[in-house]
Amino acid sequence: EPEVTQTPSHQVTQMGQEVILRCVPISNHLYFYWYRQILGQKVEFLVSFYNNEISEKSEIFDDQFSVERPDGSNFTLKIRSTKLEDSAMYFCASSSTSGGARTGELFFGEGSRLTVL
Amino acid sequence: SQQGEEDPQALSIQEGENATMNCSYKTSINNLQWYRQNSGRGLVHLILIRSNEREKHSGRLRVTLDTSKKSSSLLITASRAADTASYFCATALGGATNKLIFGTGTLLAVQP
Repeated sequence: EPEVTQTPSHQVTQMGQEVILRCVPISNHLYFYWYRQILGQKVEFLVSFYNNEISEKSEIFDDQFSVERPDGSNFTLKIRSTKLEDSAMYFCASSSTSGGARTGELFFGEGSRLTVL
Repeated sequence: SQQGEEDPQALSIQEGENATMNCSYKTSINNLQWYRQNSGRGLVHLILIRSNEREKHSGRLRVTLDTSKKSSSLLITASRAADTASYFCATALGGATNKLIFGTGTLLAVQP
């Protein structure tokens, strides 16, 4: 069964360092998302991406964050200068419908745990 | 206040019993989705109910939606130890937005 894959599964970094989290969404899916979940807390929306551009972003997704779909298969989240409060599990998701969550389910990866020291 | 609030926050039952989780939300929606998350793992989609639907079934799952009360419930019948997980409702808001807003979740523990 097709699945969303994420790498790395766990990354430890020093405060101020750049981090890139990678995702391979399900082939032929159209809408892509990044969510994060701080330990013990709810799953928070970061950004959605459709037709090679950001569709929506939350107030969490500030200038330190960026997303790219460089080659038609990978979907990356970059954090330019990590802070302690960026420590969280980051989930990538994709949707097969052109309406994203408005019209269909999201398929999530297993997550990348980011620890900022 | 939250778009999706669930109760109870935690629920412990015996295997074979039914588990009911409730979700309330505040704004109009296109659909409401339920997801399951095992500890430390990703989210798995369980069921989607559209705003014009009132009830939906999938295997041992039954979901209801009351748009007048802005609430939904997830019923898991004949629970199993393997159903132990966190369950989240997520709303796809009305209008042009295409994101899901997740609720606070219910931690379900099914005792064997």
